[in-house]
Amino acid sequence: SAVISQKPSRDICQRGTSLTIQCQVDSQVTMMFWYRQQPGQSLTLIATANQGSEATYESGFVIDKFPISRPNLTFSTLTVSNMSPEDSSIYLCSVLGTGQETQYFGPGTRLLVL
Amino acid sequence: AQSVTQPDIHITVSEGASLELRCNYSYGATPYLFWYVQSPGQGLQLLLKYFSGDTLVQGIKGFEAEFKRSQSSFNLRKPSVHWSDAAEYFCAVGWTYKYIFGTGTRLKVLA
Repeated sequence: SAVISQKPSRDICQRGTSLTIQCQVDSQVTMMFWYRQQPGQSLTLIATANQGSEATYESGFVIDKFPISRPNLTFSTLTVSNMSPEDSSIYLCSVLGTGQETQYFGPGTRLLVL
Repeated sequence: AQSVTQPDIHITVSEGASLELRCNYSYGATPYLFWYVQSPGQGLQLLLKYFSGDTLVQGIKGFEAEFKRSQSSFNLRKPSVHWSDAAEYFCAVGWTYKYIFGTGTRLKVLA
């Protein structure tokens, strides 16, 4: 399985600001995913990030609020823009393994918006 | 619509006792099936997965799961729970690369 790291691991931010979360993988992967896990909730897919193309967003998530970059096959960023306390969540990135069926997850970024 | 149900929000077991966590899904065909564990402050770790073949699959940390097509279930089991198993457990179903996660079961282990 791939080794995935995320930065920052946690942050406390003021409302109205933006935070960019980085996801780094130790091998080249085709598909990367960004999830949100709100307090006490399950995981919700925000978007799928493919290298060389625009990210594909799920219903309820828009590019203006969650812009995503995927400059190469080992790296992606998710920005949480104009944050409000409702954005306080764990944000996780994941990648598809070599068999293209199994997702492996990073350790997550714990965000608190005051 | 596709859905995943984990009917038990919280489960408490004594250390050394057996464990079964339930997962049911709704879909027209057999999807890929997964169990993940999330320890406090950690990301998700894959415990095991089922794609096809033998309906009893073995995973890491002594866990196993059984796929029952007739019941649309994929329950997770462990014969003897250790204190370090205290965590949140998520069942997920996938179709190609799209996953739907259950709401999770939080496991508490009593010493």
